[in-house]
Amino acid sequence: SQKIEQNSEALNIQEGKTATLTCNYTNYSPAYLQWYRQDPGRGPVFLLLIRENEKEKRKERLKVTFDTTLKQSLFHITASQPADSATYLCALADTGTASKLTFGTGTRLQVTL
Amino acid sequence: NAGVTQTPKFQVLKTGQSMTLQCAQDMNHEYMSWYRQDPGMGLRLIHYSVGAGITDQGEVPNGYNVSRSTTEDFPLRLLSAAPSQTSVYFCASSRQGATQYFGPGTRLTVL
Repeated sequence: SQKIEQNSEALNIQEGKTATLTCNYTNYSPAYLQWYRQDPGRGPVFLLLIRENEKEKRKERLKVTFDTTLKQSLFHITASQPADSATYLCALADTGTASKLTFGTGTRLQVTL
Repeated sequence: NAGVTQTPKFQVLKTGQSMTLQCAQDMNHEYMSWYRQDPGMGLRLIHYSVGAGITDQGEVPNGYNVSRSTTEDFPLRLLSAAPSQTSVYFCASSRQGATQYFGPGTRLTVL
């Protein structure tokens, strides 16, 4: 069966360090993968999209990698700040299903001073 | 632009009651969807629509109905609420194959 896995345990890191979050998937042929940020009591907000033929995407302090051989995406936040504390969700769109996204359960990031 | 709006923000129902969660977007997006979010389960797709007059089921459609008579609106109907439908509901819209924009959510409790 299809599955998207994110580390359900919270990730605690110190301010200024790089946070790395993992998204693994099985039984998908992804057209693209997206990362979203969700704050408590609010809807998810889009951060980055990476297509199946791309290896890496960057936006300011954010970097996403996509390895279709390992079936894994890594999401990095460099120079982490307390304001980066949130839950981060990965989402996959399977080839042929275009805009129909399937979400992982999310990983909560806590950045401390 | 208001983006994606949802009403109500909070709702408490008794088992067996019916209600409609409203969702509207002003970005002229053809694709709209409804998700529910439960602790430890992530976002699960209930129903989606690829354009006015076209809807399809997602992962957890049972107990929910939708219709799409206009591009802007995509209401979600609970015909006979059950405690298992206690959840936070999010509506989202997008262009085909692009970023999804989410509404602020509706927190529903069914007693």
